[in-house]
Amino acid sequence: AQKVTQAQTEISVVEKEDVTLDCVYETRDTTYYLFWYKQPPSGELVFLIRRNSFDEQNEISGRYSWNFQKSTSSFNFTITASQVVDSAVYFCALSVFSGAGSYQLTFGKGTKLSVIP
Amino acid sequence: KAGVTQTPRYLIKTRGQQVTLSCSPISGHRSVSWYQQTPGQGLQFLFEYFSETQRNKGNFPGRFSGRQFSNSRSEMNVSTLELGDSALYLCASSYRGVEYEQYFGPGTRLTVT
Repeated sequence: AQKVTQAQTEISVVEKEDVTLDCVYETRDTTYYLFWYKQPPSGELVFLIRRNSFDEQNEISGRYSWNFQKSTSSFNFTITASQVVDSAVYFCALSVFSGAGSYQLTFGKGTKLSVIP
Repeated sequence: KAGVTQTPRYLIKTRGQQVTLSCSPISGHRSVSWYQQTPGQGLQFLFEYFSETQRNKGNFPGRFSGRQFSNSRSEMNVSTLELGDSALYLCASSYRGVEYEQYFGPGTRLTVT
């Protein structure tokens, strides 16, 4: 069975601080996909990144960066110089093949990030 | 490009009733997935439809069902509502499936009394 653990339930940081959101996953599959989604107070989840299991390159997009390490089954997300607009709940998710040409998606419980001005 | 729309946005039902929620995906997207979000259980996958066929189903009782129409619009039905069904129900669409980037709707807030 697949599992995604986001150990940090809530994090508070002061604006301009860097913050890292942790994500640890479990799967026996060798092919899988990892995601981060953001859910702002408005409620709609917004896609941030997708990474497949064969691509361990770290990625940077503006103030956002992701560190994927298969050796520790982790896919951590760092926000540099945080801003108030970054306040949201962030979800890590894992997609694995479940047969008949389809995949299942498992979400972590989410980390609520509050950026204080 | 219009986003994913869900109707209704809010719903109040009584235990034992049934409810139907609707989702219109982004034009051209053939995959529609449904999720239940509650404070206790978080985001849980309900099912995915692709080109009118259910491709996958999460660990939910048979009271939860869905369908997808030829225009990719999808409906989700919950019969014999229980108090524990109170949740935010999210719909997401994707061109190819849940293993790719998904676009989420604003959700339907269902309250069962």
